[in-house]
Amino acid sequence: KQEVTQIPAALSVPEGENLVLNCSFTDSAIYNLQWFRQDPGKGLTSLLLIQSSQREQTSGRLNASLDKSSGRSTLYIAASQPGDSATYLCAVRGGSYIPTFGRGTSLIVHP
Amino acid sequence: SAVISQKPSRDICQRGTSLTIQCQVDSQVTMMFWYRQQPGQSLTLIATANQGSEATYESGFVIDKFPISRPNLTFSTLTVSNMSPEDSSIYLCSVDPVSSTDTQYFGPGTRLTVL
Repeated sequence: KQEVTQIPAALSVPEGENLVLNCSFTDSAIYNLQWFRQDPGKGLTSLLLIQSSQREQTSGRLNASLDKSSGRSTLYIAASQPGDSATYLCAVRGGSYIPTFGRGTSLIVHP
Repeated sequence: SAVISQKPSRDICQRGTSLTIQCQVDSQVTMMFWYRQQPGQSLTLIATANQGSEATYESGFVIDKFPISRPNLTFSTLTVSNMSPEDSSIYLCSVDPVSSTDTQYFGPGTRLTVL
C-alpha cells in the first residue's frame, strides 16, 4: 500500500526566503505526482504535475522535482511571499490510478 | 480543464440528520471521486462514483452511511447519513483527468459541522 509522507509538517518563514518542501513515497511504481495548494477551508488548486518519466516541472517561482527511484519529490518555492501562505499537499498516483495524499505542509510566510 | 461546483459550501447540522452534497462538473467525466478531509488531516477517499453502476467504496466507508448517486456524466451527490460530530469535515468532489497527463480537479469543498 502506497504511503506518502511530507516534511516538514509546518513551516514559518520571513518573506523573501527560498523554501524546500519534501514529499516521500514508499512505492516507486507511480504514474505521476502532483503538488496542490489548499487555502484554509477551501478546495485544492493544482500547482504542478510531474509524470513518472519526467524529472522536474516549473511554473513561475515554483519548481518541483521527482526522483522516482528514491521515492522523493521536492517543491521549491523561490522568493516566498505572504500570499504563498497555505497548506501544500503532495499526491502520488500509482497502479490503481487512485491518488494517495500526504498530510501536507502548512506554510506561513510573514511580512 | 474542468470546473467543479459544490453545494452547499458549508452547513451546520444536528446529530442524527442527513445532508446531501451536490457536485456539478462543466464537462462530461468518466470517474468522480468523493473525499473527506477531517480537521488537521489529509484527504481520505470515500468512494469512486461511476455513471451507470454502483459506487466503489474504500475500506472503512459503507453505502448505508455515505450513499452516492451518479445519474449522468456531469453530476453526483454524496449523502452523509445519520450524522454524528465525528462526521464534521470538509467533503471534496474530484474528477478524473481526461488522460494521465492531465491534472486532477477538485471542487471548492463543503464544510460540514455536526453539533
